[in-house]
Amino acid sequence: AQTVTQSQPEMSVQEAETVTLSCTYDTSESDYYLFWYKQPPSRQMILVIRQEAYKQQNATENRFSVNFQKAAKSFSLKISDSQLGDAAMYFCAYKSGNTPLVFGKGTRLSVIA
Amino acid sequence: DVKVTQSSRYLVKRTGEKVFLECVQDMDHENMFWYRQDPGLGLRLIYFSYDVKMKEKGDIPEGYSVSREKKERFSLILESASTNQTSMYLCASRFSGTDGNYGYTFGSGTRLTVV
Repeated sequence: AQTVTQSQPEMSVQEAETVTLSCTYDTSESDYYLFWYKQPPSRQMILVIRQEAYKQQNATENRFSVNFQKAAKSFSLKISDSQLGDAAMYFCAYKSGNTPLVFGKGTRLSVIA
Repeated sequence: DVKVTQSSRYLVKRTGEKVFLECVQDMDHENMFWYRQDPGLGLRLIYFSYDVKMKEKGDIPEGYSVSREKKERFSLILESASTNQTSMYLCASRFSGTDGNYGYTFGSGTRLTVV
């Protein structure tokens, strides 16, 4: 079974600085999708960014970018120019074929003013 | 704006009660999912449904059942609630086609406390 590992239960970053959240996964599939979700205190899960495994180019969405290393099965999220509104739980997730999303245990990000 | 709506934001039930958690989506999505979220454990899949009347067990189905009589509604049922089912429950949906590879749409969660 596929597994997703987030090794950092908690992280903190100063406002305007950059932070990187780590995620590794285990799979024998060659075609799959990876996601980062944000869950603020409102509890609403928000899709931050997605990456198709067949694409070598790292996905970018404004201040959010990923470092996708397929051979290493690593999918880290970089948040640049951190803002107070970035404080949330962040979940890494994996999906292949028609199987449901598999989530990591999450990283709680605090942003310090 | 498209939505996944969970009927209750907070719920308190007694041990042994039968509990229904309702989820409704207005996006005509075929696939719907129930996850349980606990601190330090992330989101774990309870049940999912790829179409009306269909259901599949996820990773932790014990103590739960589901019902999908209409496409837009997916209910999670706790047959006899126990204190270890105190948790946050998240419902999600997605298209079954390639658009589904853009991820899921989630509800705002139901925080269930069993006393």
